[in-house]
Amino acid sequence: EVQLVESGGGLVQPGGSLRLSCAASGFSITGYWMSWVRQAPGKGLEWVANIKSDGSERYYVDSVKGRFTISRDNGKNSVYLQMNSLRVEDTAMFHCAKHMASGFDYWGQGTLVTVSS
Amino acid sequence: SALTQPASVSGSPGQSITISCTGTSSDVGGYDLVSWYQQIPGKAPKLMIYDVVNRPSGISNRFSGSKSGNTASLTISGLQAEDDADYYCSSYTITNTHVIFGGGTKLTVL
Repeated sequence: EVQLVESGGGLVQPGGSLRLSCAASGFSITGYWMSWVRQAPGKGLEWVANIKSDGSERYYVDSVKGRFTISRDNGKNSVYLQMNSLRVEDTAMFHCAKHMASGFDYWGQGTLVTVSS
Repeated sequence: SALTQPASVSGSPGQSITISCTGTSSDVGGYDLVSWYQQIPGKAPKLMIYDVVNRPSGISNRFSGSKSGNTASLTISGLQAEDDADYYCSSYTITNTHVIFGGGTKLTVL
C-alpha cells in the first residue's frame, strides 16, 4: 500500500524555523517528482514547492522563495521541507504529494504548522 | 494568481453539474496539464482527473474533464450524495510558480 507520512510540524514563533519530513512507503520515490502543498485553515490548496526525481530541479511559489528549501533523500525514500523565517501567514496543514503526469496521485494526511507568538 | 473557480455549485441526485476553472494562456490554455481533486473536509485531496481528460484507476466514469481555450471543466454526471465535497483544479504554469491551484468549489448535493 502506498503511503506518505508527514512529520515535523508544530507551534513556532514568527521568524522561527521548522523542518518537515515526508516518509514514503509502498513505492520508491526514485523516478518521481515530489511536491509540498499547503492549506491554511478554512482556505484552499496552495502548491509550495517541488523537486525533480534526481534533485536537479526545484521550484517554489513566490511567497516562500528564499525562505523554504525542498530536498530529498532517495536512499531514505524521503522528502523534506526546511522552512526558515516563518511568518504568521505560513500557518497551514502541509501535505506531501507524489506527482503522476500533471496530477498528484498520492497525498499524505499532512502535518500542521502553526506560526504564532 | 489562483485559477478562477465558482465558489459553489449545487445539484440534485441524478443530475449533472459542471465546475469551471479559468486561467490564462500561461497555464490552462497553454498546456494540457490540468488536474482535478476532490477533498472531503478533514481529509487529504484525491486525484479525480489528470492531463485534462484522464481518470486514474478506480475513479468512476461519472467524472469527466474537458478544456476549451483558457477554461477547463469538470463534469459530474448522475450526482450522488457521496459527491458532496470541495473540488479544486490545478494546472502547470510557465510562470515562476510552476504549479497553480484554483480557489476551490463547494459542491452541495441537495
